[in-house]
Amino acid sequence: GAGVSQTPSNKVTEKGKYVELRCDPISGHTALYWYRQSLGQGPEFLIYFQGTGAADDSGLPNDRFFAVRPEGSVSTLKIQRTERGDSAVYLCASSPQLAGASPNEQFFGPGTRLTVL
Amino acid sequence: AQKVTQAQTEISVVEKEDVTLDCVYETRDTTYYLFWYKQPPSGELVFLIRRNSFDEQNEISGRYSWNFQKSTSSFNFTITASQVVDSAVYFCALRYMDSNYQLIWGAGTKLIIKP
Repeated sequence: GAGVSQTPSNKVTEKGKYVELRCDPISGHTALYWYRQSLGQGPEFLIYFQGTGAADDSGLPNDRFFAVRPEGSVSTLKIQRTERGDSAVYLCASSPQLAGASPNEQFFGPGTRLTVL
Repeated sequence: AQKVTQAQTEISVVEKEDVTLDCVYETRDTTYYLFWYKQPPSGELVFLIRRNSFDEQNEISGRYSWNFQKSTSSFNFTITASQVVDSAVYFCALRYMDSNYQLIWGAGTKLIIKP
């Protein structure tokens, strides 16, 4: 497909476990974003990649959260020692954003709904 | 502070009525961008419009129109002759120049169009 894809669509885990969430951006998009959305709220920024590097990770809530994008395409958001408060929908977006250029729209994936029991 | 306020938590109208969704923003930057996104029940955020701070012209796209007023820091969204398929949560968002392109989001307005 041509859009942003995210897997899995749903993930249920137990408190304390480790999870990985995957994002496959639109081919050729250099910018990739992770957001977290809790029920009834707008998305909350987590991290932004420009190519392979994390240009801004100021939104990661603590050191249990980590994200990588080793080849500048697919990205994985990793959460260690999950807590019940991590339960949310994790959204990924990509854009053909070039550093320094005016911002383009972000194309969002369907999200991964994470439930920590 | 950079902030977006969508004071209307939920709006319910009958099909074919016009409806306006309010968005008020705060930023100290003179250059910034404003966005509207739609989030239908399926969950995927859909881009609707981007407006930069130097362009105060109102925009119309079919049944959708946007009113950008810098004097009141507002970027309101109007749907004319609403349809049931317009039912969704609508988000207003702000991007300022030093933000590394992250979006600052409002809390969203849930729009319910009744047949």
